[in-house]
Parts: sequence; structure tokens; C-alpha cells
Amino acid sequence: DAGITQSPRYKITETGRQVTLMCHQTWSHSYMFWYRQDLGHGLRLIYYSAAADITDKGEVPDGYVVSRSKTENFPLTLESATRSQTSVYFCASVPWGGSETQYFGPGTRLLVL
Amino acid sequence: GQQVMQIPQYQHVQEGEDFTTYCNSSTTLSNIQWYKQRPGGHPVFLIQLVKSGEVKKQKRLTFQFGEAKKNSSLHITATQTTDVGTYFCAGSSNSGYALNFGKGTSLLVTP
Repeated sequence: DAGITQSPRYKITETGRQVTLMCHQTWSHSYMFWYRQDLGHGLRLIYYSAAADITDKGEVPDGYVVSRSKTENFPLTLESATRSQTSVYFCASVPWGGSETQYFGPGTRLLVL
Repeated sequence: GQQVMQIPQYQHVQEGEDFTTYCNSSTTLSNIQWYKQRPGGHPVFLIQLVKSGEVKKQKRLTFQFGEAKKNSSLHITATQTTDVGTYFCAGSSNSGYALNFGKGTSLLVTP
């Protein structure tokens, strides 16, 4: 678990502001994922990436942007934060295929006022 | 699209009682994984099942994968307070694609 980190761990922002959540992994895993976790909804996939410069939408991509210029980093940007984006965000990585064991980061708790 | 349903949503047991959570998919899965998330923590991988009818055990935890590869269960024998947390199943029916997580079963164990 120490190989995947997220920053910041906690963030409070205001509606309309841009926010970027960082995810960094030291394993050189190919696949990386962003999830949001809300009570009653479990883990919902926002975006995922199969490799550097390859990203694709998940179940709930609206309002989010991702990039992956380097294998080890997968930042998630909320272009104009809304209250409905208040959530806990988890980043995860997988060595090769998307259906293999996922290693989760510690999460970022985001509050949008 | 593929949906993974998990029941119950919550379960409260006395320490020493058994616990079971069930996972059902609308489509045939290539594999199913189980994760545990402690309160305030992040999901941690427990096990992966791949074969039809597969049964795996980890101490007091027993995992099963259905014959049709569309359902799975996690059974905990004689629960302990350390078992508290949310248990998620996650399935994949397309190799190379992301997992579909169930909504999880939150287990509370009181001494």
C-alpha cells in the first residue's frame, strides 16, 4: 500500500473552484483508476487509464478531467467544483490488466462548500 | 451494462455469530474479487476467484464462486470485532477493463 499515495488527504473548497487531486504510484503499474465513494453508492469509477496518454471514461465522468503524461502519475481535476462532488476519492492501480487485483491509495476527502 | 448487486447492505451481529454477504451479477463474470474496507480506511484486496464453483478459505473466511460464475458469497465464521468494516465484491466480464464493484455490505460486530 505504501507504493500508491494521494494528495491532499483532505481538501475543503468552494463551489466553482478548480481542484486537482494527485495520485502517484511507485510500482510502474500500467492501469490506474479514479473512484468516488459515497454513502449508499459504493465505489463508482470516474476515469481509468491503461497506460501513459491513454485514458477512458468510467461510470461517472461528468465534471472531471484526467491526464496521464507519466506512468506513475494520474491527476484528477474538478474543473468547476460542485457540492455534489463532495465525496471520498480513491485512486487505484493494477500491474497489467484492468481486471486484476487493485491496489488502493489512502483516499482524499473532499468537501465542496 | 454489467451490474453487480450485493446484499445485505448492513449487518449487525454479536461477536461469535456467523456472517454472510452475497454478490450477484447480471452477466457472467470472468473473475470476482473481494475487498475489505475498515472504517476510515481504503479498500484492501482479500481474494480473487476465477473458476466455476471455486471455494477458497482464509482462516475464518470462506469465499465461493457460483457454478454459473454469476454469483459469489463471503462467509465469516465466529465473527470477531476485528471483522468490522465494509466488504465489497468486484467483478469483471471483460478482460482488460475495470472492475465493477458492488455497493458493499457494512458489518458491525458488537462484543
